[in-house]
Amino acid sequence: NAGVTQTPKFRILKIGQSMTLQCTQDMNHNYMYWYRQDPGMGLKLIYYSVGAGITDKGEVPNGYNVSRSTTEDFPLRLELAAPSQTSVYFCASSPIGAANQPQHFGDGTRLSIL
Amino acid sequence: DAKTTQPPSMDCAEGRAANLPCNHSTISGNEYVYWYRQIHSQGPQYIIHGLKNNETNEMASLIITEDRKSSTLILPHATLRDTAVYYCIVRSNDYKLSFGAGTTVTVRA
Repeated sequence: NAGVTQTPKFRILKIGQSMTLQCTQDMNHNYMYWYRQDPGMGLKLIYYSVGAGITDKGEVPNGYNVSRSTTEDFPLRLELAAPSQTSVYFCASSPIGAANQPQHFGDGTRLSIL
Repeated sequence: DAKTTQPPSMDCAEGRAANLPCNHSTISGNEYVYWYRQIHSQGPQYIIHGLKNNETNEMASLIITEDRKSSTLILPHATLRDTAVYYCIVRSNDYKLSFGAGTTVTVRA
């Protein structure tokens, strides 16, 4: 029963490098989300998707890009890594976006930009 | 989404019930009360949610006052593995979950 799977679990990048954080869910959920969590802080929404081919910005989208070509996958791309993007990134999914539908989270990717 | 107020920390004895309070005095009629927890180095884990009625599942019980301005999460028999940060979230039909500082719960043997 995998749920939401994120890879890699840890990564160190140099300033200016690019990378893609992978997220896959096996629950056939339509909605998927990317959050970041800075040390000692709550989660902030980066991007979300309501279905394959449809994405939209959250609270803190600058410096990131997403795509949603399939229901299962929702990768997050950092094009030019900056120290301010050092954070823990969580992917989540839910059947739909209604208030009575809980979001289920992966275990996160811990990213350090040096 | 309505703001929530939780105590910053609380201790609980192993095997006893843990009662976690949450105030949400500005909650609107269509907003749900959610509880998540985050164990160190893991992703947020959904616990339970409710609108008006009390709810119970295999993990916990949620008691919502009649005026809906506060709620209590009850972990019936706390174990050491329940040590975590617990978040009370009020959510409307919005895509984001707004996590505050939460309550750090430490279960002691």
